Amino acid sequence: RKEVEQDPGPFNVPEGATVAFNCTYSNSASQSFFWYRQDCRKEPKLLMSVYSSGNEDGRFTAQLNRASQYISLLIRDSKLSDSATYLCVVNKETSGTYKYIFGTGTRLKVLA
Amino acid sequence: DVKVTQSSRYLVKRTGEKVFLECVQDMDHENMFWYRQDPGLGLRLIYFSYDVKMKEKGDIPEGYSVSREKKERFSLILESASTNQTSMYLCASRGAGTGYGYTFGSGTRLTVV
Repeated sequence: RKEVEQDPGPFNVPEGATVAFNCTYSNSASQSFFWYRQDCRKEPKLLMSVYSSGNEDGRFTAQLNRASQYISLLIRDSKLSDSATYLCVVNKETSGTYKYIFGTGTRLKVLA
Repeated sequence: DVKVTQSSRYLVKRTGEKVFLECVQDMDHENMFWYRQDPGLGLRLIYFSYDVKMKEKGDIPEGYSVSREKKERFSLILESASTNQTSMYLCASRGAGTGYGYTFGSGTRLTVV
């Protein structure tokens, strides 16, 4: 089983739609969770951290379900500019240091 | 904002060459990382460093080495480039603690011919 798993998509949605992605992780000791956005041929950029109580940033809502070990990202009122690959990131402690494990990403296409 | 700068955007090197990829960050971050990204495989950690002169192997260190002589600079070295090292290489930095996300450089697309 991969440490972090995402549905690769693509998710093709019309403008204005609501879309949600899930990401499952295998390490129950993980404590830090993030969503990154990556545009084609660009570097990943931090979209938002994910907090235990859930958090919102404009049209984006992130949630964490520790019991089932998944995080989610909800995008409301999708824009053409939201088209990108969304990467789920989970931390892992190894020998006293932390590193981040990336999912392979979920591709979103917002259609006019 | 933190800025992470990678020295080259595109590189073409020949098999067997020694290749240096440079990364500089300007926010005094302790932690720096080198990843490679390949289609279908996502980002894979090559090496990381949590302090000057310190280095730790990531998940795929074979064929690579690193150097961190100064806090702001983290170099990735391909000792003898091979065609299977053709990839996008991404450097990242992060502050201390577990709650901080990475800031990535813009990447170096390396082609080994």
